Amino acid sequence: NAGVTQTPKFQVLKTGQSMTLQCAQDMNHNSMYWYRQDPGMGLRLIYYSASEGTTDKGEVPNGYNVSRLNKREFSLRLESAAPSQTSVYFCATTTTGLGNEKLFFGSGTQLSVL
Amino acid sequence: DAKTTQPTSMDCAEGRAANLPCNHSTISGNEYVYWYRQIHSQGPQYIIHGLKNNETNEMASLIITEDRKSSTLILPHATLRDTAVYYCIALLTTSGTYKYIFGTGTRLKVLA
Repeated sequence: NAGVTQTPKFQVLKTGQSMTLQCAQDMNHNSMYWYRQDPGMGLRLIYYSASEGTTDKGEVPNGYNVSRLNKREFSLRLESAAPSQTSVYFCATTTTGLGNEKLFFGSGTQLSVL
Repeated sequence: DAKTTQPTSMDCAEGRAANLPCNHSTISGNEYVYWYRQIHSQGPQYIIHGLKNNETNEMASLIITEDRKSSTLILPHATLRDTAVYYCIALLTTSGTYKYIFGTGTRLKVLA
């Protein structure tokens, strides 16, 4: 099992460009999350999805959109990238997200916006 | 919202116990306390979690105060590989779904 797979691992964008970060899990988990981590800082929740077809805002949703395409996949889109979005992005999953499960993380996507 | 407060950094001698504190004074009665750690720039790794009782697993022990306003993660015999950022998680509930919010974490440095 691959667990949680994020693509791409690295990406460089110019200001104003758009891109989609992909996250796929083969763990049959219901809940999926997107976090960002700025250099030297903790993780901040961008969006999460409790189940297929539902999404909710986290702490820092501005500038991002998400899609829960199916149970396996949860994508994060930057419509018009800004230098402030330079960060490492982590996807995570849990079974039901009801408070008694472990979070499993992907290896991250390092994004630089010039 | 249940927020967590942790010291920014701590040092611990190799082979000694590392005790990492966390305050979560607004946590509600049915919210769990979770601990994760992050080594370098890898994705965070689960360590342990608990509700009311103290918990122990192969990695660590978790001591939760009776009033649940704070907890302590204990690494009984710290090694150099335990050098990492340790996060105490607050669980925010909304419509029956839990949002896992990370605090700023404690940067633990294990010294040889």
